[in-house]
Amino acid sequence: EVQLVESGGGLVQPGGSLRLSCAASGFTFSRYEMNWVRQAPGRGLEWVSYISSTSRSIYYPDSVKGRFTISRDNAKNSLYLQMNRLRAEDTAVYYCARVKDSSGWDTNDAFDIWGQGTVVTVSS
Amino acid sequence: EIVMTQSPATLSVSPGERATLSCRASQSVSSNLAWYQQRPGQAPRLLIYAASTRATGIPARFSGSGSGTDFTLTISSLQSEDFAVYYCQQYNNWPPYSFGQGTKLEI
Repeated sequence: EVQLVESGGGLVQPGGSLRLSCAASGFTFSRYEMNWVRQAPGRGLEWVSYISSTSRSIYYPDSVKGRFTISRDNAKNSLYLQMNRLRAEDTAVYYCARVKDSSGWDTNDAFDIWGQGTVVTVSS
Repeated sequence: EIVMTQSPATLSVSPGERATLSCRASQSVSSNLAWYQQRPGQAPRLLIYAASTRATGIPARFSGSGSGTDFTLTISSLQSEDFAVYYCQQYNNWPPYSFGQGTKLEI
């Protein structure tokens, strides 16, 4: 079964750090581009970061650039999101998501597999 | 940055009826548009990609249309499990990927 499972969420104080993980199974992880997408309570979906299959291309929106770092370990079939200098507005469910027919980098395609999400709460 | 605008914000429909959801892009996204369904407490699920192609396992009552800036998701005969929030997403001109704000389909 093709699956993504996130972990690492929790409660952290403003200014703190957290590292999220996403474990992939059931497919050849190293071939696929991956993303993190978040959803604040009662809000819509917001794209957070992208990484190509070889980690050569990485992108972020302005809202997290300089604070978040996406990475992957293809040998461990795992995706990561290091979040530093966290703010209250980073409170959300964080999902990892796979690019559907990935060519390896900069593929124009939808996100076909999503994890169940991990909850991050930034509060004092 | 491309802004995606969905309408209406909430759509009230009865089971068995037809639902039509709209999504508009601030500039052309060609056919690089996806629709997702999100039920309460669940992750989003891909319904439609390339504006009109159903994803694997998606029932035929879901259909997508449009290109350029105007897109529509139609659910031909609503089932109880279809009451959820629906999001459109463009993947033509990124980063950043952009999602619409969602349409809540309620009974």
